[in-house]
Amino acid sequence: LAKTTQPISMDSYEGQEVNITCSHNNIATNDYITWYQQFPSQGPRFIIQGYKTKVTNEVASLFIPADRKSSTLSLPRVSLSDTAVYYCLVAPTGGGGNKLTFGTGTQLKVEL
Amino acid sequence: DVKVTQSSRYLVKRTGEKVFLECVQDMDHENMFWYRQDPGLGLRLIYFSYDVKMKEKGDIPEGYSVSREKKERFSLILESASTNQTSMYLCASSLTSGRSGYNEQFFGPGTRLTVL
Repeated sequence: LAKTTQPISMDSYEGQEVNITCSHNNIATNDYITWYQQFPSQGPRFIIQGYKTKVTNEVASLFIPADRKSSTLSLPRVSLSDTAVYYCLVAPTGGGGNKLTFGTGTQLKVEL
Repeated sequence: DVKVTQSSRYLVKRTGEKVFLECVQDMDHENMFWYRQDPGLGLRLIYFSYDVKMKEKGDIPEGYSVSREKKERFSLILESASTNQTSMYLCASSLTSGRSGYNEQFFGPGTRLTVL
């Protein structure tokens, strides 16, 4: 199983770029990497997904090095509303749905 | 808009009671998941279902069972609730086909279960 490791917490200020890294040394060839955001009293919400190199959407970028043993979620110019817990998920695209692994989450706190 | 609903937001039960947590999705997704979420432990997969009447154990299935009689509904059952099953329970669903696979999961709001 692809065990994942993330920092427990991070602090930032409004307007800064935040980078959260997830380690997944045992990632398999058919695994994708996904990041989720969770606010208190809500279920996690999909942010971004990738397989290798760089993926960008309207809210974040995801950087995955060639060896795929880690990934970095980049949040540009964070605001107070980005205060949340961020999880990385390593999961196969098909089969082995019971082998997906969430990280323990990173609590991001954004201050003025 | 996609929707995953869970039968209760808060639930209080007594030790030894049989507990049913219900989850319904309206997206015609093949896959459904039950997780529990505890401080410092993140999300841990209890059971996964990839089709009606099909299920697979996740990381922590002990003390739980599941039922999926219809595609849209996935139930988590605690046969005899214990205090160490006090937790937040999250249900999710996803498609099978395409690149997203299990990665783009849609979560319900969660049920906070307290077992006294």
